[in-house]
Amino acid sequence: GAGVSQSPSNKVTEKGKDVELRCDPISGHTALYWYRQRLGQGLEFLIYFQGNSAPDKSGLPSDRFSAERTGESVSTLTIQRTQQEDSAVYLCASSLMFRTQYFGPGTRLLVL
Amino acid sequence: ELKVEQNPLFLSMQEGKNYTIYCNYSTTSDRLYWYRQDPGKSLESLFVLLSNGAVKQEGRLMASLDTKARLSTLHITAAVHDLSATYFCAFTETSGSRLTFGEGTQLTVNP
Repeated sequence: GAGVSQSPSNKVTEKGKDVELRCDPISGHTALYWYRQRLGQGLEFLIYFQGNSAPDKSGLPSDRFSAERTGESVSTLTIQRTQQEDSAVYLCASSLMFRTQYFGPGTRLLVL
Repeated sequence: ELKVEQNPLFLSMQEGKNYTIYCNYSTTSDRLYWYRQDPGKSLESLFVLLSNGAVKQEGRLMASLDTKARLSTLHITAAVHDLSATYFCAFTETSGSRLTFGEGTQLTVNP
């Protein structure tokens, strides 16, 4: 596709459930990023994948959060035992190495 | 601690007026970005500034970078309603890749 795509676009879940968010980067982009945006705030870095290097997980807020990437394609962000404070928009971005990041439309997660 | 401070956070202006948004960042950076976000939408890349003194212009928006002062500005000339959005600056550390974002400036241009 032409841009970064994410699914689902919206997710409502109950506290304590696990959720999986998916990101399809722009074809050929070696770098993939996950960010979180709470209502009315800027973006917080979560995790970064670059090629076959070990991911930079330094932004993950707790061990309930994890992410995987298959080669240089799809990534999934998993949140286990969701809490209400996890409610946010989760944005994925991709880029060529050290170049401008292009963002997907985001997944709006609401934990009840 | 990596930090980006934008001001103002909220800006209401009339069409036709000029204004500047300021972005201060806390550490050495080799890239400074400006993004636009419309309500309920994702981020759109506006500018990337790579070196001290860099200036880029697109339509009514002009961005500049002073790496010595660790300051970037986004200047709006003769504002129009279509520019209403939230504008974020973000930077990457030297040789780094992750973006550190400011809180955003919510701009409203009134007719």
